[in-house]
Amino acid sequence: DTEVTQTPKHLVMGMTNKKSLKCEQHMGHRAMYWYKQKAKKPPELMFVYSYEKLSINESVPSRFSPECPNSSLLNLHLHALQPEDSALYLCASSQVRTVGQPQHFGDGTRLSIL
Amino acid sequence: GQQLNQSPQSMFIQEGEDVSMNCTSSSIFNTWLWYKQDPGEGPVLLIALYKAGELTSNGRLTAQFGITRKDSFLNISASIPSDVGIYFCAGQGAGGTSYGKLTFGQGTILTVHP
Repeated sequence: DTEVTQTPKHLVMGMTNKKSLKCEQHMGHRAMYWYKQKAKKPPELMFVYSYEKLSINESVPSRFSPECPNSSLLNLHLHALQPEDSALYLCASSQVRTVGQPQHFGDGTRLSIL
Repeated sequence: GQQLNQSPQSMFIQEGEDVSMNCTSSSIFNTWLWYKQDPGEGPVLLIALYKAGELTSNGRLTAQFGITRKDSFLNISASIPSDVGIYFCAGQGAGGTSYGKLTFGQGTILTVHP
């Protein structure tokens, strides 16, 4: 069982819908990440939060809006997505104190845009 | 930017055989990580390496951090059917702009025939 929990596991939405992906961890990690992954490809970094503040945005389109309400939760708000945004969205977390702390991933949300 | 070359891209082996895969980089990394991803799940951390020359084992898995800090390999001994999946290497550089960011290899797809 993964210690990073993502909900929902699957999501189908139209291009005009608004939805949110949720991620929760209780490992005391203060860095949290959103990744996008296409089939049989490596994860691509989207956002990094460190101590609940956005520290890295990899030039992600504004139709993706991250939010970190507290040290255990990470959300990704979705609006007006395109079919090419269909992918597996992974959340990860890690310690911040020492560089090189490994990231631990959730099982992802499989997103399909109609 | 940093790139990782992971090889082989895919492997088809018989149960009981040993497996070896590696990653090379044009840049130095301070940390090497090896992940395995099963269908419908997120990547699971197998081994983390923090020092040049470090050799670490986890059951039937052995990984090494290259002396030049630009490469790493993963060996799997006596493969079993549940070893099937995609294996990703990932490197992490020293602080600054690379903080929190992993550079992933393209993955090795492993198929094990009973």
